[in-house]
Amino acid sequence: EPEVTQTPSHQVTQMGQEVILRCVPISNHLYFYWYRQILGQKVEFLVSFYNNEISEKSEIFDDQFSVERPDGSNFTLKIRSTKLEDSAMYFCASSSIRRYNTEAFFGQGTRLTVV
Amino acid sequence: AQTVTQSQPEMSVQEAETVTLSCTYDTSESDYYLFWYKQPPSRQMILVIRQEAYKQQNATENRFSVNFQKAAKSFSLKISDSQLGDAAMYFCAYRSAASGANSKLTFGKGITLSVRP
Repeated sequence: EPEVTQTPSHQVTQMGQEVILRCVPISNHLYFYWYRQILGQKVEFLVSFYNNEISEKSEIFDDQFSVERPDGSNFTLKIRSTKLEDSAMYFCASSSIRRYNTEAFFGQGTRLTVV
Repeated sequence: AQTVTQSQPEMSVQEAETVTLSCTYDTSESDYYLFWYKQPPSRQMILVIRQEAYKQQNATENRFSVNFQKAAKSFSLKISDSQLGDAAMYFCAYRSAASGANSKLTFGKGITLSVRP
C-alpha cells in the first residue's frame, strides 16, 4: 500500500541552526501539506503546496519557514534558524487531485527537538 | 473560520464495551468533510473514518461508526467491541470542500482513549 514517508524520524538540533525535514508523498498525489503538533497539543496546519507553489499558509509559517519540491518526489520543510518553541512533531501529508475522497494521508512524523 | 471542539480530554472504556467520542464543529459552509484520526503512541496519524456532509447516511467502518448531525454540527465516533489496540489519541477534523482537494484540515484538541482489560 502506498504511503507517505518522512525522514529523519527524530532530529535534535541546536537553537539557531537550520534544519530540513524531508518527505516523500504518495506518487500520484499532487497536494502536499505540513502540519505541526507540539507535545500534548492539537495538530496545527502550517502550509499547503500545489503546482510548485504555496497555496495557503498559517500564521505559524513565518519567514523562518520555507517549503520546496526540489525534484519529482521529495517535499521539504526548512526552518532557517530554529527556536526552542519549534520543538514539535512535524507531519507531512499528501492528497490526490480527485474532488471527493480526498482525505490526506499522513507520514509517520519527524520529532524535532531544539536544544 | 472553522473551529472543531472536542470537549472531553479523556475517556476510558472496558474492553469489549462500546464508547462514544464527541465532537462539535462550527462552520458557515454547507459542503465539507469530517474525519476521525487515530494517533497511537507511535504518533502516526491514521485515518479511522470519513463523512461527507452531503451524505445523510452515517459512515461505518467495521467497529467504527459515526453519528453525524448536520443541523446540530455534531460528529461523534462510536467504537463498538473496544479492543486494547484502540487505546490512542483520537482527533476530529474538518475540511472544507470549497477549495477542492487543496483545503487544509482543522483539528480538534483530541481525546485520549484508554481501554481497560
